[in-house]
Amino acid sequence: DGGITQSPKYLFRKEGQNVTLSCEQNLNHDAMYWYRQDPGQGLRLIYYSQIVNDFQKGDIAEGYSVSREKKESFPLTVTSAQKNPTAFYLCASSIGMAGTSYEQYFGPGTRLTVT
Amino acid sequence: QQQVKQSPQSLIVQKGGISIINCAYENTAFDYFPWYQQFPGKGPALLIAIRPDVSEKKEGRFTISFNKSAKQFSLHIMDSQPGDSATYFCAASMRGAQKLVFGQGTRLTINP
Repeated sequence: DGGITQSPKYLFRKEGQNVTLSCEQNLNHDAMYWYRQDPGQGLRLIYYSQIVNDFQKGDIAEGYSVSREKKESFPLTVTSAQKNPTAFYLCASSIGMAGTSYEQYFGPGTRLTVT
Repeated sequence: QQQVKQSPQSLIVQKGGISIINCAYENTAFDYFPWYQQFPGKGPALLIAIRPDVSEKKEGRFTISFNKSAKQFSLHIMDSQPGDSATYFCAASMRGAQKLVFGQGTRLTINP
């Protein structure tokens, strides 16, 4: 069953703690993305990676960090430096530069609540 | 220039009616325009997409209309059904960028 998995679905943390969100894909896609979704603001790009061991900042990278050690995995760490971390986080993947399609496939999301 | 502006923010349509959501862009380098559908608590799913070499694309009850000169594109949902109630996002990308720029989203409600 191919797709993107994100875990956990709900995550609760205390303010000041770092937290890592998991994203795994078995679609053999080169490119992976992290978005943040807030009510009424659409999807905003945090980080993206076009290939293993390489990633670029998106529009709102401050307070976040990522790694891409394996093609299948692109974990996102929400650090204590992120001022408003409570949000719905979405991971996506696409075939990447190897293909001509820009289609992005999304995971089910992780809802992070920080109190 | 990287923005995609989407309207309306919310839309209520009667069952069987036509739902229309509009998007506008400035960057003429954009060459791929997808629409995504998102149900509450789920990730967005690709609904339909168009490239600027055609003015219209239809898939079932869903149609994208594209006006290159006006830099606008729209989603039309014919015979709207309660199951179509969701949030819809337009997006745009340019060749080689491998990034999508999303509109702000439209919450569509279809009344039975």
